[in-house]
Amino acid sequence: DAGVIQSPRHEVTEMGQEVTLRCKPISGHDYLFWYRQTMMRGLELLIYFNNNVPIDDSGMPEDRFSAKMPNASFSTLKIQPSEPRDSAVYFCASSPTVHPTGYTFGSGTRLTVV
Amino acid sequence: QKEVEQDPGPLSVPEGAIVSLNCTYSNSAFQYFMWYRQYSRKGPELLMYTYSSGNKEDGRFTAQVDKSSKYISLFIRDSQPSDSATYLCANTAPRGSYIPTFGRGTSLIVHP
Repeated sequence: DAGVIQSPRHEVTEMGQEVTLRCKPISGHDYLFWYRQTMMRGLELLIYFNNNVPIDDSGMPEDRFSAKMPNASFSTLKIQPSEPRDSAVYFCASSPTVHPTGYTFGSGTRLTVV
Repeated sequence: QKEVEQDPGPLSVPEGAIVSLNCTYSNSAFQYFMWYRQYSRKGPELLMYTYSSGNKEDGRFTAQVDKSSKYISLFIRDSQPSDSATYLCANTAPRGSYIPTFGRGTSLIVHP
């Protein structure tokens, strides 16, 4: 299995632009998680899905952030409009169960908003 | 105050040293205690976990939980340069959503 695949690996964009991050979870994993990692705040959960349905989006910082999971093999995290404070590494993780001992993380997307 | 605290380091040790990485937490409801290893420009990967108090050993790694003092430790024996990474502790309650709370991680450098 190729693991959790995220694209792009790096994204540099100008403030105000729309950014879309993509994730392909491991086949058969029913749970998908979006995390954000910064030096100051560490790893924070943004939203997670179970069987393509959003379960908890309380970590999404603002209405500028949205996430979708149209099918079991694809999810997107969109930021519109982007701001410099959104600069971070965004990770997607998938798991066969909700328990964190089953998480597999992708390699992340490093987002820089200038 | 974050619910899970770690010293960010970096902690620099010579190859072969015994490494002690530590984590404190404030939520007494936490029951699962996990250690993740994160190499540079990679996602975290689960290293080991324990449930409730006590020790757990896996090769050169030992995880120790002291619930009375809300203190978690990861010991690495005979450290190797390949152990150089950031180590994140994470805790979660036994019921509910099981969503973990992560520490910010400790950067470890093992030099030859």
